[in-house]
Amino acid sequence: AQRVTQPEKLLSVFKGAPVELKCNYSYSGSPELFWYVQYSRQRLQLLLRHISRESIKGFTADLNKGETSFHLKKPFAQEEDSAMYYCALSRPNTGNQFYFGTGTSLTVIP
Amino acid sequence: ETGVTQSPTHLIKTRGQQVTLRCSSQSGHNTVSWYQQALGQGPQFIFQYYREEENGRGNFPPRFSGLQFPNYSSELNVNALELDDSALYLCASSARDLNTEAFFGQGTRLTVV
Repeated sequence: AQRVTQPEKLLSVFKGAPVELKCNYSYSGSPELFWYVQYSRQRLQLLLRHISRESIKGFTADLNKGETSFHLKKPFAQEEDSAMYYCALSRPNTGNQFYFGTGTSLTVIP
Repeated sequence: ETGVTQSPTHLIKTRGQQVTLRCSSQSGHNTVSWYQQALGQGPQFIFQYYREEENGRGNFPPRFSGLQFPNYSSELNVNALELDDSALYLCASSARDLNTEAFFGQGTRLTVV
């Protein structure tokens, strides 16, 4: 079975400070990992996926298979980063069948 | 605008009733997945439809069923509604063959009383 854990329900940082949202997963194979974001009154949207190795809006995430983690990081938080962030896992070749964590609500304090 | 639309946006039903939720997928997408999001939780995978066939199911009972139509739009049906079925129901569409990003709808808020 697969499981995604986001240990922090709430996270507050000051503008300009580094931010790290934690995500740990359990899965016996090689999963695909994603970060989804939901801004206020908007729908869930993809922030980044580990296979693309992109940096989106200054965010990066590295898949650490040894620690089974996929933490999301940004060196300098901006007010517009305030949102709900979900880490998600998809088993290989299942076409975006996601298993989500419970989410972390990030607030960036001006 | 992603093009994935869900209807209705809100719905109130009585325990024991049946409900049908609808999802119109983005143009060119042949795969629709449904999720249930209870308050304070992350979305939970219900099932996925690919080219009109169920293609994967999460840990939900058989009273949760679905359909996908030739135009790739989809329905989620829930029979014998229970109070715990109250949640936000999300659908997401993608083109499985092309391994594209999944786009989510705005959700249907179902309240069971």
